[in-house]
Amino acid sequence: EDKVVQSPLSLVVHEGDTVTLNCSYEVTNFRSLLWYKQEKKAPTFLFMLTSSGIEKKSGRLSSILDKKELFSILNITATQTGDSAIYLCAVIPRGSTLGRLYFGRGTQLTVWP
Amino acid sequence: NAGVTQTPKFRVLKTGQSMTLLCAQDMNHEYMYWYRQDPGMGLRLIHYSVGEGTTAKGEVPDGYNVSRLKKQNFLLGLESAAPSQTSVYFCASVSPGLNTEAFFGQGTRLTVV
Repeated sequence: EDKVVQSPLSLVVHEGDTVTLNCSYEVTNFRSLLWYKQEKKAPTFLFMLTSSGIEKKSGRLSSILDKKELFSILNITATQTGDSAIYLCAVIPRGSTLGRLYFGRGTQLTVWP
Repeated sequence: NAGVTQTPKFRVLKTGQSMTLLCAQDMNHEYMYWYRQDPGMGLRLIHYSVGEGTTAKGEVPDGYNVSRLKKQNFLLGLESAAPSQTSVYFCASVSPGLNTEAFFGQGTRLTVV
C-alpha cells in the first residue's frame, strides 16, 4: 500500500497554463515533505515543507502543506516547455527508528509550446 | 562539495553476471538508500541503511544485497543479474538530525542482456 500518492500521474498542458500537482500521504509523525523535479537525470530539489499553511515560493513555483488533511500541492504558473519533467513528492519520517524515505510515483508533466 | 557519488554511471551485464554499485557520500549522513526507477513506476526502494553496519529491506529487495561497512559508503550488489534488473539505480542520503533535503547521486543506468 502506497504511503505517498501523487495525482495526476500524468498531465499535458500548453505553455502559459497553470497546473496544480497533488501529493497525499499516510505517514504520521514526519519531519518534512519534499518536492523534486526530475528531468533526464537525478531528481533536483525544489521545496522542503515542515509546517502547515506556510507557502514556499520560488519564481513561478509554489507549494504548501496541510498537515491536518495530510496533503501538499505544487503549483506552477505560466508554464514553460522547460517545466516538462517528472515531479516527485517524498516524506521523511521523524525518529531514528524510522529510516524510510517514502516517494510517490510522480506526476509526468508535459508542456507543449 | 562532491555530495553523493555513484559509480559506475553506465553498465551492461550479461544474464548471470555479478556486479557491485558503489555509493559514496561526504556529508556524514546517517541514512542512505538505494532506489530503482523504471518507466511509470517512480522511485522504488530496494534497501536502505540507518547507520554504519545496519541495513534493511525496502519494497523490492529480491535479487539484491547491500553492505554499509563504512558510514560514507553504501554498496549495492547483484549476485546473478537478470533482465528484470535492467533499470536506472539511484542512491540517496539524508541526515535525520538536520533539516535538509535528501541528496541524490547522478544515477547508474544498468542494462542486463
